[in-house]
Amino acid sequence: QVQLQQWGAGLLKPSETLSLTCAVYGASSSDYNWSWIRQPPGKGLEWIGEINHSGSTNYNPSLKSRVTISVDTSKNQFSLKLSSVTAADTAVYYCARPLKRPIRVAVTGGGGMDVWGQGTTVTVSS
Amino acid sequence: QSVLTQPPSVSGAPGQRVTISCTGSSSNIGAGYVVHWYQQLPGTAPKLLIYSNSNRPSGVPDRFSASKSGTSASLAITGLQAEDEADYYCQSFDSSLSRIFGGGTKLTVL
Repeated sequence: QVQLQQWGAGLLKPSETLSLTCAVYGASSSDYNWSWIRQPPGKGLEWIGEINHSGSTNYNPSLKSRVTISVDTSKNQFSLKLSSVTAADTAVYYCARPLKRPIRVAVTGGGGMDVWGQGTTVTVSS
Repeated sequence: QSVLTQPPSVSGAPGQRVTISCTGSSSNIGAGYVVHWYQQLPGTAPKLLIYSNSNRPSGVPDRFSASKSGTSASLAITGLQAEDEADYYCQSFDSSLSRIFGGGTKLTVL
């Protein structure tokens, strides 16, 4: 059974860089795609970005200039960095694993995210 | 403003059937991209409820079903139970294969 355990700094000042890590248990980080999603207080879900098993990334256009997602296969972990944070970045951040889909249907989108981390609350305040 | 439009809230009595719509456009759902549905209980991480338009992961009761037609998708819950009270989100893709979420629908069991 695959599990994700995430951690990172919970309180940041404006202009600092958010850094979160998600450890993968029960699967190899090199075998799947990995996603980050966030949820501002009282609001809906926002996809941040995804890294595939080859290391290629796809980011939300609205965050692309500030986001970096990477995988460390030696530690079986993947990470999120979001630079120049503001109060608008205050949210619960989740890591997640999408289901695999056959390559022949990949053009119709990725798999549903069936495994989620526990969430990390990040607050940006001066 | 979410790219995928969901009703902010729906409600139903125990045992009833409710549906939650997810309206997109020819740039996302209507372009043939798959739709996934998530359930989020208060204070918890989302849970995958339906994947690839109409498939239930193992362990999800068959009271939950979903369909997709044209530029919209729909989630149906039959035999409503108190434990179904949660927020529900649809998710699809745009032409760059970026994931896009609906704004979420709060289900209240009366």
